[in-house]
Amino acid sequence: SQQGEEDPQALSIQEGENATMNCSYKTSINNLQWYRQNSGRGLVHLILIRSNEREKHSGRLRVTLDTSKKSSSLLITASRAADTASYFCATEPQGGSEKLVFGKGTKLTVNP
Amino acid sequence: DTGVSQNPRHKITKRGQNVTFRCDPISEHNRLYWYRQTLGQGPEFLTYFQNEAQLEKSRLLSDRFSAERPKGSFSTLEIQRTEQGDSAMYLCASSYRGSEQYFGPGTRLTVT
Repeated sequence: SQQGEEDPQALSIQEGENATMNCSYKTSINNLQWYRQNSGRGLVHLILIRSNEREKHSGRLRVTLDTSKKSSSLLITASRAADTASYFCATEPQGGSEKLVFGKGTKLTVNP
Repeated sequence: DTGVSQNPRHKITKRGQNVTFRCDPISEHNRLYWYRQTLGQGPEFLTYFQNEAQLEKSRLLSDRFSAERPKGSFSTLEIQRTEQGDSAMYLCASSYRGSEQYFGPGTRLTVT
């Protein structure tokens, strides 16, 4: 079963605009990770945020985590056509398991 | 290239045949994970190893599936008596405890 729910399912923007994707999850977590996947390829790790962190930055990426609402957001600033991909959030549930539980992803299209 | 590698990248097989996939993790990582991804969905956890010990298996991993990591380095995933429903992308990832999981490019299985 999939814990994470990304919102929106699809997003289309113009180059230079910001893109915001949201993720909600159901159970308590150790950490939450965001991944990018280009069509038919493997996943590229973007950023990991731990349950005791509220915000993290990496280059043009900004991730927030609200454990009280069980939600996270990924902001990509000044988007580029190369950012076109599917973006997944994945949670590592508390309780000893180290598996990641993924959502269905947000398909982002950045138009040149 | 020091990333996670998977072989083969593509496999087409007839229903009822056995297939085996290989994953070579990042060399210093002691955790190795297998996931399965179908079209339009996020990856779903199958199993994971810490060194050579298989610590968790998903209910998705039926009796036809077996995974090994005999020397704590590379891992194999075998599917016996393949069915059309096994068609998917099989992804391998590796990590340290509590850190990011790094994914390989995946093996795309098509069962005809």
